[in-house]
Amino acid sequence: KAGVTQTPRYLIKTRGQQVTLSCSPISGHRSVSWYQQTPGQGLQFLFEYFSETQRNKGNFPGRFSGRQFSNSRSEMNVSTLELGDSALYLCASSLIGSQAGELFFGEGSRLTVL
Amino acid sequence: KQEVTQIPAALSVPEGENLVLNCSFTDSAIYNLQWFRQDPGKGLTSLLLIQSSQREQTSGRLNASLDKSSGRSTLYIAASQPGDSATYLCAVVGDQAGTALIFGKGTTLSVSS
Repeated sequence: KAGVTQTPRYLIKTRGQQVTLSCSPISGHRSVSWYQQTPGQGLQFLFEYFSETQRNKGNFPGRFSGRQFSNSRSEMNVSTLELGDSALYLCASSLIGSQAGELFFGEGSRLTVL
Repeated sequence: KQEVTQIPAALSVPEGENLVLNCSFTDSAIYNLQWFRQDPGKGLTSLLLIQSSQREQTSGRLNASLDKSSGRSTLYIAASQPGDSATYLCAVVGDQAGTALIFGKGTTLSVSS
């Protein structure tokens, strides 16, 4: 059974650019959550999608957005990149939602903003 | 606001030692608590999930306990091995609808052979 797949694994951008990250959840899982991990702040919740609807959103500026497609694949977008956006972005999938069950994480997308 | 604290931040032990990692949370109204392992530069691997109604869960050499009323959880690792070296994170989710996982900063474990 394939795990959670995140692409790209590594990317380098410059300030002001935008970036799109992709996450394919485990087959049959309908919930996808996104987290940002930095050395200073640790893991912080960005948003959760379930059946194409955003179910919950963390305390991040509007430059951070996401969506989920009918096949449960999810994308997150960060516009007008800032140096502080450099982080490991982790996607997690679960069967019915992060509150109800176990989360399974992907390997992450490491974003460096220069 | 829920806060999760993990002590110690780092731990070094010789191979074979039994050890305990601690996790505390400020709001006892949780739905479940989950322990994860993270290797350097990698994603998180789920180790154990404890529902709020449970007191402990076991998987191989790992045992996690939960005392919801006191806001504490411990992860016990028996007979540690160098392959156990990693960062261990605990996370809680509140019992209100629409809440997300809140993570601690983790304990970085180093097991020497």
